Amino acid sequence: GNSVTQMEGPVTLSEEAFLTINCTYTATGYPSLFWYVQYPGEGLQLLLKATKADDKGSNKGFEATYRKETTSFHLEKGSVQVSDSAVYFCALSDPLFTGGGNKLTFGTGTQLKVEL
Amino acid sequence: DVKVTQSSRYLVKRTGEKVFLECVQDMDHENMFWYRQDPGLGLRLIYFSYDVKMKEKGDIPEGYSVSREKKERFSLILESASTNQTSMYLCASSLWTQGVAEAFFGQGTRLTVV
Repeated sequence: GNSVTQMEGPVTLSEEAFLTINCTYTATGYPSLFWYVQYPGEGLQLLLKATKADDKGSNKGFEATYRKETTSFHLEKGSVQVSDSAVYFCALSDPLFTGGGNKLTFGTGTQLKVEL
Repeated sequence: DVKVTQSSRYLVKRTGEKVFLECVQDMDHENMFWYRQDPGLGLRLIYFSYDVKMKEKGDIPEGYSVSREKKERFSLILESASTNQTSMYLCASSLWTQGVAEAFFGQGTRLTVV
């Protein structure tokens, strides 16, 4: 079955530091890949996505590249801010999933804390 | 903007009670989902629905049921609440396409069963 593995947190960084959160996946077919972010007390919201190999998703200074050869989708940001403190979830959606629904499979989440 | 609204932010229920969690979306999405979120386990899919009156089991359906009588509303039912169902419950909806479907989430319901 499909699965997503993320690095464990919490990750604590100083403001303006470089961020990498690792994500690898196992899936049948050719999944679409996502990063979702959950700010304290809120639901999840889509941060970025990529639908095929070598695609790069980007948003709000965050980037991730779909690497089929290493089955990875690592999240990066060049300079984090205190406001980036949140939990980040890597997820995949298998378009070959039968029954409809584009079911999402999530990783366990990585908490990021950014300090001044 | 798509809005997914869950009826309660916080609920406290007693063991053995029947509990209803309601979710409404306003964008005419075909697909709706219920997840539970637990520390160290991420989000796990309980049930989903890709059409009115249709439902499919997710990864952890035991102890739960769902109802989708109208396209915009998807209810999660705990038939007899137990303490191990204390969790954060997240509802989501998405538009069915053959490619990418972005899921939109509600703000979550934190349920405590005592």
